[in-house]
Amino acid sequence: DVKVTQSSRYLVKRTGEKVFLECVQDMDHENMFWYRQDPGLGLRLIYFSYDVKMKEKGDIPEGYSVSREKKERFSLILESASTNQTSMYLCASRSGTGALYGYTFGSGTRLTVV
Amino acid sequence: RKEVEQDPGPFNVPEGATVAFNCTYSNSASQSFFWYRQDCRKEPKLLMSVYSSGNEDGRFTAQLNRASQYISLLIRDSKLSDSATYLCVSDTGRRALTFGSGTRLQVQP
Repeated sequence: DVKVTQSSRYLVKRTGEKVFLECVQDMDHENMFWYRQDPGLGLRLIYFSYDVKMKEKGDIPEGYSVSREKKERFSLILESASTNQTSMYLCASRSGTGALYGYTFGSGTRLTVV
Repeated sequence: RKEVEQDPGPFNVPEGATVAFNCTYSNSASQSFFWYRQDCRKEPKLLMSVYSSGNEDGRFTAQLNRASQYISLLIRDSKLSDSATYLCVSDTGRRALTFGSGTRLQVQP
């Protein structure tokens, strides 16, 4: 089974801090994604990457950046954390597109910005 | 309008009941679909994929109606352990999937 590992389950950070969320997958998947999930809003795509050093903005990229220096690792960066970035952050990977290729998610990072 | 819409529920059903959720999608380019299950404060997990008229996996049946642009999930003989949020997901052939906000199911003893 594919394993997607997020480095922290819970994080508390202060407003203005630079925050790094790390995600590692172990099955050589090309595509990796960062979502945030908020009550009533569902999962919203922040950024995704389809290859090393390649990235594309999702629906809500403002206030975030990403880094993919190695195929297995995809990092989400909050440049200057704000309270409205308090959320559940989910990383996912996918080997291809189409009905045979769903996402595998990491266990999530619940970030609180105070 | 959201690209994938679901009734948020909650659907409260007794054990052993049959329950069905519908999901509508607006992008006619959607090629295939998925149902994910998400337990409280956990990550979503793939339940089943839907790509032709539908498919069945044990107590779960998913159906796709392209003419009316909706997908349904039917759960027969509900168990307490089926209590969760069910996410409808659209694949338009782009790399990223599009998620509905989810339908919450509560199975009661």
